[in-house]
Amino acid sequence: QKEVEQNSGPLSVPEGAIASLNCTYSDRGSQSFFWYRQYSGKSPELIMSIYSNGDKEDGRFTAQLNKASQYVSLLIRDSQPSDSATYLCAVKGDAGNMLTFGGGTRLMVKP
Amino acid sequence: SAVISQKPSRDICQRGTSLTIQCQVDSQVTMMFWYRQQPGQSLTLIATANQGSEATYESGFVIDKFPISRPNLTFSTLTVSNMSPEDSSIYLCSAAAGTSGGTGEQFFGPGTRLTVL
Repeated sequence: QKEVEQNSGPLSVPEGAIASLNCTYSDRGSQSFFWYRQYSGKSPELIMSIYSNGDKEDGRFTAQLNKASQYVSLLIRDSQPSDSATYLCAVKGDAGNMLTFGGGTRLMVKP
Repeated sequence: SAVISQKPSRDICQRGTSLTIQCQVDSQVTMMFWYRQQPGQSLTLIATANQGSEATYESGFVIDKFPISRPNLTFSTLTVSNMSPEDSSIYLCSAAAGTSGGTGEQFFGPGTRLTVL
């Protein structure tokens, strides 16, 4: 069974700090990796996609992928209170378009 | 990204009844999915809605309980049948533009919050 693991948190960081969110996955055939942000009472919003090893930056967000170690991470620089949300890691295998979601990490950014 | 709407946004239903949730996408998409998110939990895939053929259900979900229709490339429905309080959850529709084996990016509708009494 394909598994995606995340620390449930909460991860608490002060405003302006770097928040680091981690995710590990079990299926070595996984090809695509996604980070979703979900505010309380809202649906998930796609914020980052990454497909190859290394770093991918988009504004304050950086996704990091290491397929050999089977982990993917999300860094949020200059964290803001508005970044407080649950961050879901999702992984797509090598066939079909189904995503397997991790349990999510709750991030709290304190002013 | 596709814009996805769902109806109803929330409902309170009696045990033993059924509810049909509608999902509309503003553009043609290859793949549509239905998820369930129970309180405090992550997303669990119920099924892939296939256009013109029967949906593909994940382990633990069956067609009799969660019948799905997908008459075209922009619309799908999920019915929650013979409801019990355990069905109380948020039901989410998502869409992916790529073909099987594509990038896999999925975009979600706003969800339907269902409470069963």
